[in-house]
Amino acid sequence: GNSVTQMEGPVTLSEEAFLTINCTYTATGYPSLFWYVQYPGEGLQLLLKATKADDKGSNKGFEATYRKETTSFHLEKGSVQVSDSAVYFCALSDNNAGNMLTFGGGTRLMVKP
Amino acid sequence: DTGVSQNPRHKITKRGQNVTFRCDPISEHNRLYWYRQTLGQGPEFLTYFQNEAQLEKSRLLSDRFSAERPKGSFSTLEIQRTEQGDSAMYLCASSDLTGRATEAFFGQGTRLTVV
Repeated sequence: GNSVTQMEGPVTLSEEAFLTINCTYTATGYPSLFWYVQYPGEGLQLLLKATKADDKGSNKGFEATYRKETTSFHLEKGSVQVSDSAVYFCALSDNNAGNMLTFGGGTRLMVKP
Repeated sequence: DTGVSQNPRHKITKRGQNVTFRCDPISEHNRLYWYRQTLGQGPEFLTYFQNEAQLEKSRLLSDRFSAERPKGSFSTLEIQRTEQGDSAMYLCASSDLTGRATEAFFGQGTRLTVV
């Protein structure tokens, strides 16, 4: 079956530090890949997505590249802000199963001023 | 449109009682999904609808769980004879069936506490 593994948190960084959150996946076929973010007290929001190998998704300074050869979709940001503190979820969408999402366990990011 | 709406936001119930949650998707979206999220975990898929048809329900956690979407608009998720292990956040999402990567938009969830 499909699965997503992401690095456990919490990840604690100082403002303006470089961020990497690792995500690897196992899937049959060719899934689409997503990063969702959950800010405190709010619902899940789509951060970025990539639909095929070598696609790069980007939004709000965050980037992730769909790497089929390493089955990875690592999230990066060059300079984090306190407002980026949230829980980040990597997910894949099985296009052959109604686009249901399979999520990783989430990684909590805490950015200190 | 204000996005996916879920009601109630919080529900506290006694063990053994039945509960029902409602989800109103984004109006033009034909797909509707239910997920469960327990503390410190990622959301877990439960079931989904395309219009009024429930196309996948094998992931519902037990026969105490059921979902409906009678007119292809709002949906309800019912849990009968609740147990303490049912305490979780129940999330609804909707998407529009166009293109290959049909991104899902999530509601804020209903937090269930079974005491």
